[in-house]
Amino acid sequence: SQKIEQNSEALNIQEGKTATLTCNYTNYSPAYLQWYRQDPGRGPVFLLLIRENEKEKRKERLKVTFDTTLKQSLFHITASQPADSATYLCALVPSRRGNEKLTFGTGTRLTIIP
Amino acid sequence: GAVVSQHPSWVICKSGTSVKIECRSLDFQATTMFWYRQFPKQSLMLMATSNEGSKATYEQGVEKDKFLINHASLTLSTLTVTSAHPEDSSFYICSATPGLAASYEQYFGPGTRLTVT
Repeated sequence: SQKIEQNSEALNIQEGKTATLTCNYTNYSPAYLQWYRQDPGRGPVFLLLIRENEKEKRKERLKVTFDTTLKQSLFHITASQPADSATYLCALVPSRRGNEKLTFGTGTRLTIIP
Repeated sequence: GAVVSQHPSWVICKSGTSVKIECRSLDFQATTMFWYRQFPKQSLMLMATSNEGSKATYEQGVEKDKFLINHASLTLSTLTVTSAHPEDSSFYICSATPGLAASYEQYFGPGTRLTVT
């Protein structure tokens, strides 16, 4: 069956350290993978999109990697700050045909401890 | 950046009544809009996809006669929960994209908390 798993339901990281979140998928061949941030009671906010032919994408303190062999994406926040505390969702478009629905993982609740 | 609004942000209604939720793209034309539902501590589940001027495409298990979607213009989509029941209580979130495909980044509204008593 098809699955998107974000390994940690919750992750606590000391301020200033790098937070690394994992997204694994099975039985998908996604053309795109996206990462979103969601704060409690709010809609998700788009962070980064990475294509299947891209190994890595960066945006300020954020870095995303995409390994189609391992079927895994890693999301890194460097120099983490308490304001980075939120739930982070990975999402993928399940096939290369395009025009498919965006399927979300269950999310990782990240807490940055001052 | 692209902004999507939702109205109302929260609503309480009695069982058996209908509730309409609006989703607007404020600074871009949304070719495609999506409606999601999110239960506590769960991820977003897509309910339906709507394209301007055409009928919505519903996901398996979502009753199209209960969740009426109208995408009348490139900036407005509405979701009407008809004959609401307590099990319909949830967080409803819309998203919009300027592209035709879900692979484009989506801009989400702030969500509508529906409580059916």
